[in-house]
Amino acid sequence: AQSVTQLGSHVSVSEGALVLLRCNYSSSVPPYLFWYVQYPNQGLQLLLKYTTGATLVKGINGFEAEFKKSETSFHLTKPSAHMSDAAEYFCAVSGSNTDKLIFGTGTRLQVFP
Amino acid sequence: NAGVTQTPKFQVLKTGQSMTLQCAQDMNHNSMYWYRQDPGMGLRLIYYSASEGTTDKGEVPNGYNVSRLNKREFSLRLESAAPSQTSVYFCASRQGSTSQNTDTQYFGPGTRLTVL
Repeated sequence: AQSVTQLGSHVSVSEGALVLLRCNYSSSVPPYLFWYVQYPNQGLQLLLKYTTGATLVKGINGFEAEFKKSETSFHLTKPSAHMSDAAEYFCAVSGSNTDKLIFGTGTRLQVFP
Repeated sequence: NAGVTQTPKFQVLKTGQSMTLQCAQDMNHNSMYWYRQDPGMGLRLIYYSASEGTTDKGEVPNGYNVSRLNKREFSLRLESAAPSQTSVYFCASRQGSTSQNTDTQYFGPGTRLTVL
């Protein structure tokens, strides 16, 4: 079975500051990990994903995430926030034994000028 | 190439009414999903279909039925709507039909449903 915990339902940063959104997972098999972004009144779109191979994954809009097996984490970062990054971000986990995605509860990112 | 489309965008129902949410994808994807999104709870899977002709329950199936009409379309039906079903409903699809769930799920824009 898989589960995801996102620490912090709301995160606020200033424009230009580092963005760090936390995600920890639990999985009985090697996990596949995803970050999705949801802009207001829209559906979700994929930011990045980790399946196998390189543990540092780069995504769209300057975001990246690092899979750390020892910490069961897949935190999302961006060096410099833009106003356009304001959205809700969801971490999700799957694995080789399922065709379902398990989502975290989401983190709403606010960016202040 | 419209991706995943959902109709309607908004709907208000009275308790006990029925309705069907429609979803279609034009990407020739095998698997399709229905989720509901509620504040503070993320997305929860209602039903999914790994291929045409098959459907399976997700985490929160009670009060819903689904039909995989063909490869393109996957509808969600509320037979007797309840206020607890007030939510935003998202349809999604992905290419694969087996486990090894590494490929991306593509989401529709959502249906905002209110049950009074």
